[in-house]
Amino acid sequence: NAGVTQTPKFQVLKTGQSMTLQCAQDMNHNSMYWYRQDPGMGLRLIYYSASEGTTDKGEVPNGYNVSRLNKREFSLRLESAAPSQTSVYFCASSEYVGNTEAFFGQGTRLTVV
Amino acid sequence: DQQVKQNSPSLSVQEGRISILNCDYTNSMFDYFLWYKKYPAEGPTFLISISSIKDKNEDGRFTVFLNKSAKHLSLHIVPSQPGDSAVYFCAASVSGFKTIFGAGTRLFVKA
Repeated sequence: NAGVTQTPKFQVLKTGQSMTLQCAQDMNHNSMYWYRQDPGMGLRLIYYSASEGTTDKGEVPNGYNVSRLNKREFSLRLESAAPSQTSVYFCASSEYVGNTEAFFGQGTRLTVV
Repeated sequence: DQQVKQNSPSLSVQEGRISILNCDYTNSMFDYFLWYKKYPAEGPTFLISISSIKDKNEDGRFTVFLNKSAKHLSLHIVPSQPGDSAVYFCAASVSGFKTIFGAGTRLFVKA
Protein backbone atom coordinates (compact mmCIF):
# COMPACT_ATOMS: atom_id res chain seq x y z
CA ASN A 1 0.00 0.00 0.00
CA ALA A 2 1.94 3.03 -1.30
CA GLY A 3 -0.36 5.79 0.03
CA VAL A 4 0.46 9.04 -1.80
CA THR A 5 3.13 8.88 -4.48
CA GLN A 6 4.72 11.97 -6.02
CA THR A 7 7.01 12.16 -9.02
CA PRO A 8 9.64 13.39 -9.52
CA LYS A 9 11.41 13.69 -6.16
CA PHE A 10 13.85 16.33 -7.39
CA GLN A 11 13.80 18.71 -10.35
CA VAL A 12 15.85 21.64 -11.56
CA LEU A 13 14.23 23.98 -14.08
CA LYS A 14 15.41 27.04 -15.92
CA THR A 15 13.33 30.19 -15.65
CA GLY A 16 10.52 30.05 -18.18
CA GLN A 17 10.45 26.27 -18.54
CA SER A 18 7.29 24.33 -17.84
CA MET A 19 6.76 21.09 -16.00
CA THR A 20 4.08 18.94 -14.40
CA LEU A 21 4.31 17.38 -10.96
CA GLN A 22 2.44 14.12 -10.72
CA CYS A 23 0.58 12.75 -7.72
CA ALA A 24 -1.37 9.54 -7.24
CA GLN A 25 -3.09 8.01 -4.22
CA ASP A 26 -4.31 4.48 -3.72
CA MET A 27 -6.52 5.00 -0.67
CA ASN A 28 -9.71 5.73 -2.62
CA HIS A 29 -9.78 9.24 -1.17
CA ASN A 30 -12.13 11.81 -2.58
CA SER A 31 -10.08 14.93 -1.87
CA MET A 32 -6.57 15.86 -2.95
CA TYR A 33 -4.32 18.85 -2.32
CA TRP A 34 -1.13 20.55 -3.42
CA TYR A 35 0.98 22.46 -0.89
CA ARG A 36 4.30 24.23 -1.04
CA GLN A 37 6.68 24.52 1.87
CA ASP A 38 9.14 27.38 2.16
CA PRO A 39 11.54 28.09 5.03
CA GLY A 40 9.79 29.88 7.89
CA MET A 41 6.42 29.71 6.11
CA GLY A 42 4.98 26.32 6.94
CA LEU A 43 2.86 24.65 4.28
CA ARG A 44 0.69 26.81 2.06
CA LEU A 45 -2.21 25.44 0.04
CA ILE A 46 -1.89 26.01 -3.71
CA TYR A 47 -4.95 24.19 -5.05
CA TYR A 48 -7.24 21.47 -3.90
CA SER A 49 -9.79 19.11 -5.38
CA ALA A 50 -12.68 18.32 -3.09
CA SER A 51 -13.86 15.52 -5.36
CA GLU A 52 -13.23 14.13 -8.83
CA GLY A 53 -14.09 16.75 -11.40
CA THR A 54 -13.69 19.78 -9.13
CA THR A 55 -10.73 22.02 -8.34
CA ASP A 56 -10.46 25.19 -6.25
CA LYS A 57 -7.81 27.76 -5.44
CA GLY A 58 -5.98 27.77 -2.16
CA GLU A 59 -3.84 30.49 -0.57
CA VAL A 60 -1.17 30.80 -3.28
CA PRO A 61 -2.55 29.68 -6.68
CA ASN A 62 -0.84 32.23 -8.95
CA GLY A 63 1.52 30.67 -11.47
CA TYR A 64 0.05 27.19 -11.14
CA ASN A 65 -2.62 25.07 -12.78
CA VAL A 66 -4.01 21.73 -11.69
CA SER A 67 -5.84 18.79 -13.21
CA ARG A 68 -7.81 16.16 -11.36
CA LEU A 69 -7.31 13.46 -13.97
CA ASN A 70 -9.41 10.86 -12.16
CA LYS A 71 -10.09 9.90 -8.56
CA ARG A 72 -6.52 8.69 -8.05
CA GLU A 73 -4.47 11.38 -9.77
CA PHE A 74 -4.01 15.12 -9.24
CA SER A 75 -1.30 16.96 -11.17
CA LEU A 76 0.24 20.40 -10.67
CA ARG A 77 1.57 22.33 -13.66
CA LEU A 78 3.97 25.23 -13.77
CA GLU A 79 3.54 26.86 -17.17
CA SER A 80 6.47 29.28 -16.95
CA ALA A 81 8.65 28.59 -13.93
CA ALA A 82 10.04 31.49 -11.90
CA PRO A 83 12.76 31.49 -9.19
CA SER A 84 10.03 32.38 -6.65
CA GLN A 85 8.57 28.92 -7.29
CA THR A 86 11.66 27.24 -5.87
CA SER A 87 10.18 25.23 -3.03
CA VAL A 88 9.30 21.78 -1.75
CA TYR A 89 5.93 20.67 -3.07
CA PHE A 90 3.72 18.21 -1.24
CA CYS A 91 0.70 16.40 -2.53
CA ALA A 92 -1.85 15.14 -0.01
CA SER A 93 -5.17 13.33 0.05
CA SER A 94 -7.99 12.87 2.52
CA GLU A 95 -11.17 10.86 2.62
CA TYR A 96 -13.15 14.05 2.03
CA VAL A 97 -12.78 17.77 2.62
CA GLY A 98 -13.87 18.10 6.20
CA ASN A 99 -12.61 17.30 9.62
CA THR A 100 -10.33 14.50 8.56
CA GLU A 101 -6.60 14.01 8.51
CA ALA A 102 -4.61 14.35 5.30
CA PHE A 103 -2.00 11.88 4.09
CA PHE A 104 1.05 13.40 2.45
CA GLY A 105 3.48 12.27 -0.21
CA GLN A 106 7.24 12.51 0.29
CA GLY A 107 7.55 15.78 -1.56
CA THR A 108 9.19 17.16 -4.70
CA ARG A 109 12.12 19.49 -4.26
CA LEU A 110 12.00 21.97 -7.14
CA THR A 111 14.71 24.49 -7.91
CA VAL A 112 14.20 27.15 -10.56
CA VAL A 113 17.42 28.84 -11.72
CA ASP B 1 -0.70 38.07 8.08
CA GLN B 2 -0.19 34.64 9.58
CA GLN B 3 -3.44 33.21 10.89
CA VAL B 4 -1.66 30.32 12.62
CA LYS B 5 1.51 31.13 14.53
CA GLN B 6 4.08 28.91 16.13
CA ASN B 7 6.32 31.41 17.83
CA SER B 8 9.03 29.00 18.94
CA PRO B 9 11.16 27.87 15.98
CA SER B 10 12.82 25.21 18.13
CA LEU B 11 12.57 23.44 21.46
CA SER B 12 15.04 21.18 23.24
CA VAL B 13 13.90 18.69 25.89
CA GLN B 14 15.54 15.91 27.85
CA GLU B 15 14.37 12.36 27.19
CA GLY B 16 11.63 11.33 29.62
CA ARG B 17 10.51 14.90 30.30
CA ILE B 18 7.45 16.71 28.96
CA SER B 19 7.55 18.55 25.63
CA ILE B 20 5.07 21.40 25.23
CA LEU B 21 4.60 22.90 21.78
CA ASN B 22 2.47 25.99 21.46
CA CYS B 23 0.32 27.45 18.71
CA ASP B 24 -1.75 30.63 18.49
CA TYR B 25 -4.39 31.51 15.92
CA THR B 26 -6.21 34.67 14.98
CA ASN B 27 -9.29 33.49 13.08
CA SER B 28 -12.14 32.85 15.53
CA MET B 29 -13.96 30.90 12.82
CA PHE B 30 -11.43 28.05 12.98
CA ASP B 31 -13.20 25.00 14.38
CA TYR B 32 -10.84 22.13 13.68
CA PHE B 33 -7.20 21.90 14.68
CA LEU B 34 -4.54 19.35 13.89
CA TRP B 35 -0.92 18.58 14.67
CA TYR B 36 1.37 17.01 12.11
CA LYS B 37 4.87 15.67 12.60
CA LYS B 38 7.54 15.82 9.92
CA TYR B 39 10.87 14.04 9.64
CA PRO B 40 13.53 15.28 7.17
CA ALA B 41 12.96 14.25 3.55
CA GLU B 42 9.49 12.90 4.37
CA GLY B 43 6.00 14.30 4.10
CA PRO B 44 4.12 15.40 7.22
CA THR B 45 2.20 12.70 9.07
CA PHE B 46 -0.93 13.28 11.09
CA LEU B 47 -0.49 13.14 14.85
CA ILE B 48 -3.63 14.29 16.64
CA SER B 49 -6.62 16.59 16.14
CA ILE B 50 -9.21 18.43 18.16
CA SER B 51 -12.57 19.93 17.37
CA SER B 52 -13.58 23.28 18.80
CA ILE B 53 -16.32 21.61 20.83
CA LYS B 54 -13.65 20.00 22.99
CA ASP B 55 -10.87 21.44 25.10
CA LYS B 56 -8.70 18.34 25.32
CA ASN B 57 -7.94 15.28 23.25
CA GLU B 58 -5.55 12.53 24.26
CA ASP B 59 -3.89 9.76 22.28
CA GLY B 60 -1.27 7.78 24.12
CA ARG B 61 1.68 10.04 24.94
CA PHE B 62 0.18 12.94 23.00
CA THR B 63 -2.41 15.38 24.34
CA VAL B 64 -3.72 18.49 22.63
CA PHE B 65 -5.29 21.28 24.66
CA LEU B 66 -7.49 23.98 23.14
CA ASN B 67 -8.20 27.33 24.81
CA LYS B 68 -10.73 29.04 22.57
CA SER B 69 -10.93 32.25 24.55
CA ALA B 70 -7.17 32.71 24.24
CA LYS B 71 -7.10 31.32 20.67
CA HIS B 72 -4.33 29.03 21.78
CA LEU B 73 -3.60 25.35 21.51
CA SER B 74 -0.76 23.25 22.78
CA LEU B 75 0.61 19.77 22.20
CA HIS B 76 2.00 17.88 25.18
CA ILE B 77 4.25 14.87 24.70
CA VAL B 78 4.84 12.81 27.83
CA PRO B 79 7.29 11.22 28.18
CA SER B 80 9.41 12.59 25.35
CA GLN B 81 11.51 10.10 23.41
CA PRO B 82 14.46 10.64 21.04
CA GLY B 83 12.28 9.37 18.17
CA ASP B 84 9.98 12.35 18.76
CA SER B 85 12.69 14.66 17.41
CA ALA B 86 11.03 16.21 14.34
CA VAL B 87 9.32 19.35 13.12
CA TYR B 88 5.78 19.75 14.46
CA PHE B 89 3.20 21.74 12.51
CA CYS B 90 0.03 23.14 13.97
CA ALA B 91 -2.84 23.51 11.50
CA ALA B 92 -6.35 24.96 11.62
CA SER B 93 -9.38 25.10 9.39
CA VAL B 94 -13.01 26.09 9.15
CA SER B 95 -14.85 22.78 8.83
CA GLY B 96 -11.82 21.22 7.18
CA PHE B 97 -11.62 23.62 4.25
CA LYS B 98 -8.37 25.34 3.23
CA THR B 99 -6.33 24.21 6.18
CA ILE B 100 -3.79 26.81 7.32
CA PHE B 101 -0.47 25.61 8.70
CA GLY B 102 1.91 27.27 11.12
CA ALA B 103 5.61 27.61 10.34
CA GLY B 104 6.54 24.65 12.53
CA THR B 105 8.56 24.03 15.69
CA ARG B 106 11.63 21.82 15.57
CA LEU B 107 11.74 19.56 18.62
CA PHE B 108 15.01 18.06 19.80
CA VAL B 109 14.76 15.31 22.40
CA LYS B 110 18.14 14.65 24.00
CA ALA B 111 18.99 11.16 25.22
